[in-house]
Amino acid sequence: GAGVSQSPRYKVTKRGQDVTLRCDPISSHATLYWYQQALGQGPEFLTYFNYEAQPDKSGLPSDRFSAERPEGSISTLTIQRTEQRDSAMYRCASSGGQGGWETQYFGPGTRLLVL
Amino acid sequence: AQSVTQLDSQVPVFEEAPVELRCNYSSSVSVYLFWYVQYPNQGLQLLLKYLSGSTLVESINGFEAEFNKSQTSFHLRKPSVHISDTAEYFCAVSEKVQGAQKLVFGQGTRLTINP
Repeated sequence: GAGVSQSPRYKVTKRGQDVTLRCDPISSHATLYWYQQALGQGPEFLTYFNYEAQPDKSGLPSDRFSAERPEGSISTLTIQRTEQRDSAMYRCASSGGQGGWETQYFGPGTRLLVL
Repeated sequence: AQSVTQLDSQVPVFEEAPVELRCNYSSSVSVYLFWYVQYPNQGLQLLLKYLSGSTLVESINGFEAEFNKSQTSFHLRKPSVHISDTAEYFCAVSEKVQGAQKLVFGQGTRLTINP
């Protein structure tokens, strides 16, 4: 697609529920990143994919967080048994193609609120 | 590991005044440097980047930043700001290595332009 898209844009859930966030990267981009941004902070790295491989998931805060990119394009980030501290903006970015692998292009983000 | 410090969390200026948003980083390896901007109710957009070559880089809307290796800084400047520059600005760094790597962000600087 023309840019990175994410859905939903907003998600309100109750503590203990599972949520799944979706990211659709720029179509020519091999690399996809997930970041978490708490209120008043800069984004923090969670994990990334090269096509369907996931070389680095060191930023995932706990085993309740997981991500997939099974066909090397769309990715999902799943948070199981959500907690209030999971409330944040979740940002997806992609890189590669003519934009160069050094530069990441971000989607609009998904704002998650856990009540 | 890298870190980024944006010393000013908020910067209020009058329209048509000059502005400087400060960014310092620490890293044990060579880095790429970026400024991203988030306008109200929008996602993160790349403003400008330093990858190599000239240490002074410019954006299409009049911002510029200079990579200063000795001072480990990448300050963002604009000689005359406009109301439309009101946004949050994030400085980010990544390792200068081949392949995918995570961005490390500062906490952001909220620029407010007053008429």
